[in-house]
Amino acid sequence: GEDVEQSLFLSVREGDSSVINCTYTDSSSTYLYWYKQEPGAGLQLLTYIFSNMDMKQDQRLTVLLNKKDKHLSLRIADTQTGDSAIYFCAGTLYKLSFGAGTTVTVRA
Amino acid sequence: DADVTQTPRNRITKTGKRIMLECSQTKGHDRMYWYRQDPGLGLRLIYYSFDVKDINKGEISDGYSVSRQAQAKFSLSLESAIPNQTALYFCATSDVYRAGELFFGEGSRLTVL
Repeated sequence: GEDVEQSLFLSVREGDSSVINCTYTDSSSTYLYWYKQEPGAGLQLLTYIFSNMDMKQDQRLTVLLNKKDKHLSLRIADTQTGDSAIYFCAGTLYKLSFGAGTTVTVRA
Repeated sequence: DADVTQTPRNRITKTGKRIMLECSQTKGHDRMYWYRQDPGLGLRLIYYSFDVKDINKGEISDGYSVSRQAQAKFSLSLESAIPNQTALYFCATSDVYRAGELFFGEGSRLTVL
Protein backbone atom coordinates (compact mmCIF):
# COMPACT_ATOMS: atom_id res chain seq x y z
CA GLY A 1 0.00 0.00 0.00
CA GLU A 2 0.84 3.63 -0.07
CA ASP A 3 2.85 5.25 2.73
CA VAL A 4 2.19 8.95 2.87
CA GLU A 5 4.03 11.46 5.03
CA GLN A 6 3.28 15.08 5.71
CA SER A 7 4.26 17.68 8.29
CA LEU A 8 1.82 18.04 11.17
CA PHE A 9 1.44 21.79 11.60
CA LEU A 10 1.49 24.98 9.55
CA SER A 11 0.80 28.52 10.75
CA VAL A 12 0.15 31.20 8.15
CA ARG A 13 -0.88 34.83 8.19
CA GLU A 14 -4.20 35.75 6.63
CA GLY A 15 -3.68 36.84 3.02
CA ASP A 16 -0.39 34.95 2.61
CA SER A 17 0.04 31.76 0.63
CA SER A 18 0.05 28.39 2.36
CA VAL A 19 2.07 25.48 1.07
CA ILE A 20 1.40 22.01 2.41
CA ASN A 21 3.84 19.27 1.46
CA CYS A 22 3.48 15.52 1.20
CA THR A 23 5.74 12.66 0.20
CA TYR A 24 4.59 9.22 -0.85
CA THR A 25 6.28 5.90 -1.45
CA ASP A 26 4.24 4.07 -4.07
CA SER A 27 4.70 5.56 -7.52
CA SER A 28 1.93 3.39 -8.98
CA SER A 29 -0.85 5.56 -7.53
CA THR A 30 -3.08 6.59 -10.39
CA TYR A 31 -4.43 9.65 -8.61
CA LEU A 32 -3.25 11.71 -5.67
CA TYR A 33 -5.74 13.59 -3.55
CA TRP A 34 -6.08 16.43 -1.10
CA TYR A 35 -8.83 16.27 1.51
CA LYS A 36 -9.88 18.98 3.97
CA GLN A 37 -11.33 18.38 7.42
CA GLU A 38 -12.97 21.31 9.14
CA PRO A 39 -13.46 21.20 12.92
CA GLY A 40 -16.11 18.70 13.98
CA ALA A 41 -16.69 17.40 10.48
CA GLY A 42 -15.71 14.56 8.23
CA LEU A 43 -13.23 14.87 5.41
CA GLN A 44 -14.19 16.44 2.11
CA LEU A 45 -12.38 16.06 -1.18
CA LEU A 46 -10.65 19.32 -2.02
CA THR A 47 -8.87 18.49 -5.24
CA TYR A 48 -6.94 15.71 -6.96
CA ILE A 49 -4.31 15.27 -9.63
CA PHE A 50 -3.84 12.51 -12.14
CA SER A 51 -0.42 10.91 -11.92
CA ASN A 52 0.59 11.93 -15.46
CA MET A 53 0.13 15.62 -14.66
CA ASP A 54 2.66 17.99 -13.10
CA MET A 55 0.32 20.73 -12.03
CA LYS A 56 -3.35 21.43 -11.56
CA GLN A 57 -4.88 24.78 -10.72
CA ASP A 58 -8.37 25.28 -9.34
CA GLN A 59 -9.17 28.85 -8.28
CA ARG A 60 -7.01 29.54 -5.19
CA LEU A 61 -5.63 26.00 -5.12
CA THR A 62 -2.55 24.80 -6.98
CA VAL A 63 -1.40 21.20 -6.81
CA LEU A 64 2.15 20.35 -7.85
CA LEU A 65 3.33 16.80 -8.43
CA ASN A 66 6.99 15.84 -8.69
CA LYS A 67 6.95 12.16 -9.60
CA LYS A 68 10.71 11.82 -9.60
CA ASP A 69 10.91 12.91 -5.96
CA LYS A 70 7.46 11.45 -5.08
CA HIS A 71 6.48 14.81 -3.72
CA LEU A 72 3.05 16.41 -3.76
CA SER A 73 2.20 19.91 -2.62
CA LEU A 74 -0.90 22.01 -2.18
CA ARG A 75 -0.66 25.78 -2.40
CA ILE A 76 -3.52 27.93 -1.15
CA ALA A 77 -3.31 31.50 -2.39
CA ASP A 78 -4.64 34.40 -0.30
CA THR A 79 -5.27 32.20 2.72
CA GLN A 80 -8.44 33.03 4.62
CA THR A 81 -9.64 32.16 8.13
CA GLY A 82 -12.02 29.64 6.58
CA ASP A 83 -9.00 27.73 5.33
CA SER A 84 -8.11 26.77 8.91
CA ALA A 85 -8.50 23.00 8.90
CA ILE A 86 -6.61 19.74 8.73
CA TYR A 87 -5.42 18.85 5.24
CA PHE A 88 -4.75 15.27 4.24
CA CYS A 89 -2.94 14.01 1.20
CA ALA A 90 -3.86 10.54 -0.01
CA GLY A 91 -2.84 8.13 -2.71
CA THR A 92 -4.62 5.18 -4.15
CA LEU A 93 -3.85 1.93 -5.80
CA TYR A 94 -6.82 -0.19 -4.73
CA LYS A 95 -7.88 1.92 -1.75
CA LEU A 96 -6.92 5.22 -0.26
CA SER A 97 -4.03 5.61 2.15
CA PHE A 98 -3.99 8.88 4.06
CA GLY A 99 -1.17 10.90 5.51
CA ALA A 100 -1.32 12.01 9.16
CA GLY A 101 -2.77 15.39 8.21
CA THR A 102 -1.39 18.93 8.39
CA THR A 103 -3.21 21.27 10.76
CA VAL A 104 -3.28 24.72 9.17
CA THR A 105 -3.87 27.65 11.47
CA VAL A 106 -4.57 31.03 9.91
CA ARG A 107 -3.67 33.99 12.10
CA ALA A 108 -4.84 37.56 11.62
CA ASP B 1 -30.20 15.05 5.14
CA ALA B 2 -26.60 13.91 5.04
CA ASP B 3 -25.60 11.47 2.31
CA VAL B 4 -23.61 9.38 4.80
CA THR B 5 -25.09 9.09 8.28
CA GLN B 6 -23.36 7.65 11.30
CA THR B 7 -24.95 6.69 14.60
CA PRO B 8 -24.26 7.29 17.39
CA ARG B 9 -22.30 10.53 17.04
CA ASN B 10 -20.90 10.23 20.53
CA ARG B 11 -20.63 7.26 22.84
CA ILE B 12 -18.97 6.66 26.19
CA THR B 13 -18.63 3.08 27.28
CA LYS B 14 -16.68 0.88 29.64
CA THR B 15 -13.94 -1.62 29.01
CA GLY B 16 -15.31 -5.00 27.96
CA LYS B 17 -18.60 -3.74 26.58
CA ARG B 18 -19.79 -4.56 23.08
CA ILE B 19 -20.30 -1.52 20.88
CA MET B 20 -21.81 -1.16 17.42
CA LEU B 21 -21.37 1.87 15.20
CA GLU B 22 -23.78 2.10 12.31
CA CYS B 23 -23.46 3.74 8.93
CA SER B 24 -26.07 4.27 6.25
CA GLN B 25 -25.74 6.01 2.91
CA THR B 26 -28.01 7.40 0.24
CA LYS B 27 -25.29 7.84 -2.38
CA GLY B 28 -26.02 4.52 -4.05
CA HIS B 29 -22.34 3.60 -3.81
CA ASP B 30 -21.18 0.01 -3.71
CA ARG B 31 -17.99 0.67 -1.77
CA MET B 32 -17.99 1.42 1.95
CA TYR B 33 -15.19 1.92 4.45
CA TRP B 34 -14.53 2.30 8.16
CA TYR B 35 -11.61 4.45 9.30
CA ARG B 36 -10.42 5.57 12.69
CA GLN B 37 -8.73 8.90 13.30
CA ASP B 38 -6.19 9.49 16.03
CA PRO B 39 -4.25 12.74 16.51
CA GLY B 40 -0.91 12.61 14.72
CA LEU B 41 -1.74 9.30 13.05
CA GLY B 42 -4.26 10.46 10.49
CA LEU B 43 -6.86 8.05 9.20
CA ARG B 44 -6.27 4.34 9.32
CA LEU B 45 -8.42 1.86 7.49
CA ILE B 46 -10.17 -0.74 9.64
CA TYR B 47 -12.37 -2.62 7.14
CA TYR B 48 -13.73 -2.05 3.68
CA SER B 49 -16.41 -3.59 1.51
CA PHE B 50 -16.61 -3.36 -2.28
CA ASP B 51 -20.10 -4.83 -2.42
CA VAL B 52 -22.61 -6.59 -0.18
CA LYS B 53 -20.83 -9.96 -0.39
CA ASP B 54 -17.32 -8.55 -0.09
CA ILE B 55 -15.58 -7.76 3.22
CA ASN B 56 -11.89 -7.00 3.53
CA LYS B 57 -9.57 -6.27 6.44
CA GLY B 58 -7.75 -2.99 6.48
CA GLU B 59 -4.51 -2.15 8.23
CA ILE B 60 -5.88 -2.24 11.80
CA SER B 61 -8.73 -4.77 11.90
CA ASP B 62 -7.77 -6.57 15.13
CA GLY B 63 -10.47 -6.09 17.77
CA TYR B 64 -13.08 -5.04 15.22
CA SER B 65 -15.66 -6.76 13.06
CA VAL B 66 -18.07 -5.50 10.41
CA SER B 67 -21.34 -6.42 8.80
CA ARG B 68 -22.62 -5.27 5.41
CA GLN B 69 -26.33 -5.68 5.85
CA ALA B 70 -27.30 -4.08 2.56
CA GLN B 71 -25.75 -1.90 -0.10
CA ALA B 72 -26.62 1.13 1.99
CA LYS B 73 -25.63 -0.16 5.44
CA PHE B 74 -22.25 -1.02 6.92
CA SER B 75 -21.80 -1.45 10.66
CA LEU B 76 -18.65 -1.68 12.77
CA SER B 77 -18.55 -3.69 16.01
CA LEU B 78 -16.14 -3.73 18.89
CA GLU B 79 -16.80 -7.06 20.58
CA SER B 80 -15.03 -6.16 23.80
CA ALA B 81 -14.03 -2.52 23.88
CA ILE B 82 -10.66 -1.47 25.32
CA PRO B 83 -9.37 2.03 26.15
CA ASN B 84 -6.99 2.22 23.18
CA GLN B 85 -10.01 1.99 20.90
CA THR B 86 -10.94 5.47 22.05
CA ALA B 87 -10.95 7.43 18.79
CA LEU B 88 -13.00 9.20 16.18
CA TYR B 89 -14.49 6.72 13.72
CA PHE B 90 -15.50 7.58 10.19
CA CYS B 91 -17.59 5.75 7.67
CA ALA B 92 -17.05 6.59 4.01
CA THR B 93 -18.38 5.54 0.63
CA SER B 94 -17.11 5.69 -2.92
CA ASP B 95 -18.25 4.93 -6.41
CA VAL B 96 -16.58 2.08 -8.27
CA TYR B 97 -15.39 4.37 -11.06
CA ARG B 98 -14.09 7.14 -8.82
CA ALA B 99 -12.69 5.04 -6.03
CA GLY B 100 -10.47 7.75 -4.59
CA GLU B 101 -13.28 10.22 -4.14
CA LEU B 102 -14.60 9.29 -0.72
CA PHE B 103 -17.70 10.73 0.89
CA PHE B 104 -17.43 10.78 4.65
CA GLY B 105 -19.92 10.76 7.46
CA GLU B 106 -19.57 13.26 10.27
CA GLY B 107 -17.86 10.79 12.54
CA SER B 108 -18.63 8.83 15.71
CA ARG B 109 -16.59 9.76 18.75
CA LEU B 110 -16.07 6.74 20.98
CA THR B 111 -14.60 6.91 24.47
CA VAL B 112 -13.76 3.69 26.27
CA LEU B 113 -13.18 4.10 29.99
